[in-house]
Amino acid sequence: GAGVSQSPSNKVTEKGKDVELRCDPISGHTALYWYRQSLGQGLEFLIYFQGNSAPDKSGLPSDRFSAERTGGSVSTLTIQRTQQEDSAVYLCASSSIQINTEAFFGQGTRLTVV
Amino acid sequence: AQSVAQPEDQVNVAEGNPLTVKCTYSVSGNPYLFWYVQYPNRGLQFLLKYITGDNLVKGSYGFEAEFNKSQTSFHLKKPSALVSDSALYFCAVRLLSGTYKYIFGTGTRLKVLA
Repeated sequence: GAGVSQSPSNKVTEKGKDVELRCDPISGHTALYWYRQSLGQGLEFLIYFQGNSAPDKSGLPSDRFSAERTGGSVSTLTIQRTQQEDSAVYLCASSSIQINTEAFFGQGTRLTVV
Repeated sequence: AQSVAQPEDQVNVAEGNPLTVKCTYSVSGNPYLFWYVQYPNRGLQFLLKYITGDNLVKGSYGFEAEFNKSQTSFHLKKPSALVSDSALYFCAVRLLSGTYKYIFGTGTRLKVLA
């Protein structure tokens, strides 16, 4: 596609429910990143996929968070048993394999846990 | 620990005046540095990057940034600010060993006053 696509754009869920956030990266981009942006805060790194390498999961805040990337393309970030502190904008980005390139971001998914 | 610092939460500048948004970094080796801008309810947009070569790099919308290795800084500048430049600005560094993730600063809100 022309850019990084994220869905849904907004998600309201009840505390304790599971949610899935989807990211469709730019075609041909082998690297994919998830970040979290809380209200008024900076970007918190969550997870990074690069090709067939093991993902860097060092930023996942708890074992309620997981992500997968199927076929080297679409990625899904899953949050189980959501808590109110999970409310944030979840941003996905992708980049090419060349290390001197910039990452391209999607519009984000605004998650609200009530 | 590798990190990026943006010491100012907010910068106010009058329209037509020059603006500077500060960024310093702490990483091992030579850094790849980036600036992004975020408008309300939008994802991040790439502005410019420093990879190698000339310390002054030019980017989108008339922005430029100066890489200073001795001061480990990468300040964003624009000679004449516009009201439409008002947004949230993020500095980032890309790690060049181990994981190649981007580390972002906490962001600086730029407000250009008419």
